[in-house]
Amino acid sequence: QKEVEQDPGPLSVPEGAIVSLNCTYSNSAFQYFMWYRQYSRKGPELLMYTYSSGNKEDGRFTAQVDKSSKYISLFIRDSQPSDSATYLCAMRGGNAGNMLTFGGGTRLMVKP
Amino acid sequence: DVKVTQSSRYLVKRTGEKVFLECVQDMDHENMFWYRQDPGLGLRLIYFSYDVKMKEKGDIPEGYSVSREKKERFSLILESASTNQTSMYLCASTPPGVRENEQFFGPGTRLTVL
Repeated sequence: QKEVEQDPGPLSVPEGAIVSLNCTYSNSAFQYFMWYRQYSRKGPELLMYTYSSGNKEDGRFTAQVDKSSKYISLFIRDSQPSDSATYLCAMRGGNAGNMLTFGGGTRLMVKP
Repeated sequence: DVKVTQSSRYLVKRTGEKVFLECVQDMDHENMFWYRQDPGLGLRLIYFSYDVKMKEKGDIPEGYSVSREKKERFSLILESASTNQTSMYLCASTPPGVRENEQFFGPGTRLTVL
């Protein structure tokens, strides 16, 4: 079993929908939780990160961490065609070390 | 803006060839990383470096080596390319400390080994 699990999709939604992307993980030592976005033929770029449990909001994006369930989510409100990309969760910290452990990525398609 | 560049976007090599992938960053970052990305497997760390002439093995170093002679440049070497090394290779850099959460990635090199 992989340390970080993520549904590969593709997830197809109409423009304006609320999107929920999720990851589960097995290592309770992780402390930092990141979401990266990767457009086709580009490298990933950091969207946002949270430390420990809780929510963090940035514009249309909300990241949520539930350490008790080992579950993290990224919500996208009012999704746009420009949000079409692969979303990768990543984690690090504690005795899990400083290296990032990535999920496999979820491909999102937002249709106009 | 941080810029991470990789020497080639697409590369086709033959089995047994020695392959060099170059990565350059322009933000004076101490940390540099090489990953490979395969469908469904996400990014897997091959090697990383915290300083010039310093290297550490990641999760999948077999069949690879690296070189960091200058702070801005980190090279990945496939000593004898094999078909199972066909993949997307991504280089990244980051400053130390809490900002290690933000890795700056290059555009990737798609390597095909025939």
